Amino acid sequence: QKEVEQNSGPLSVPEGAIASLNCTYSDRGSQSFFWYRQYSGKSPELIMSIYSNGDKEDGRFTAQLNKASQYVSLLIRDSQPSDSATYLCAVTWAGSARQLTFGSGTQLTVLP
Amino acid sequence: EAGVAQSPRYKIIEKRQSVAFWCNPISGHATLYWYQQILGQGPKLLIQFQNNGVVDDSQLPKDRFSAERLKGVDSTLKIQPAKLEDSAVYLCASSGIRGHINEQFFGPGTRLTVL
Repeated sequence: QKEVEQNSGPLSVPEGAIASLNCTYSDRGSQSFFWYRQYSGKSPELIMSIYSNGDKEDGRFTAQLNKASQYVSLLIRDSQPSDSATYLCAVTWAGSARQLTFGSGTQLTVLP
Repeated sequence: EAGVAQSPRYKIIEKRQSVAFWCNPISGHATLYWYQQILGQGPKLLIQFQNNGVVDDSQLPKDRFSAERLKGVDSTLKIQPAKLEDSAVYLCASSGIRGHINEQFFGPGTRLTVL
């Protein structure tokens, strides 16, 4: 059973701080990694994708991938109250026809 | 570029009734997915289409769920008869090819309540 694990939280950080969200996955053959943001009552919104080891930056967001340790993380710099949401990690497995397996999400609250 | 469209947005039915959901993917996206998201969980894939063919329906409860994608564009997902545990948000997503990363984009979802 291929699994994607996330701490459910809630994770609370003060406004302006760095929020760090972590995700581990069970299959070393995993190929692509995604972070989705989901506001309450809304659908998931793609914010980052990463497929090779190292860091990928996009504005205030940085995704970090370490395939040897089987984890992917998302850093949010200068956190804003509008970043308060559930963050979903998703992974595609080798041979899975690009299907996504999601973690259960980490709820982030940014305190003003 | 228009996003993924879904309807209805909300549906309330009684158990043993039937219900259908509709999805129109992003223009040009060949791959379409239906997910079920239960409160507090991540989305779970039900079925994946490539054009009008089924790629994977291994997690679709085929005794009560069915889906089709005629003409390779719009898709419908049907539940008949519904059970209480089918209460969830049903999400449709579509993907094209961007580089070699297949990024999926979600519609607004249909929130189903089964009483």
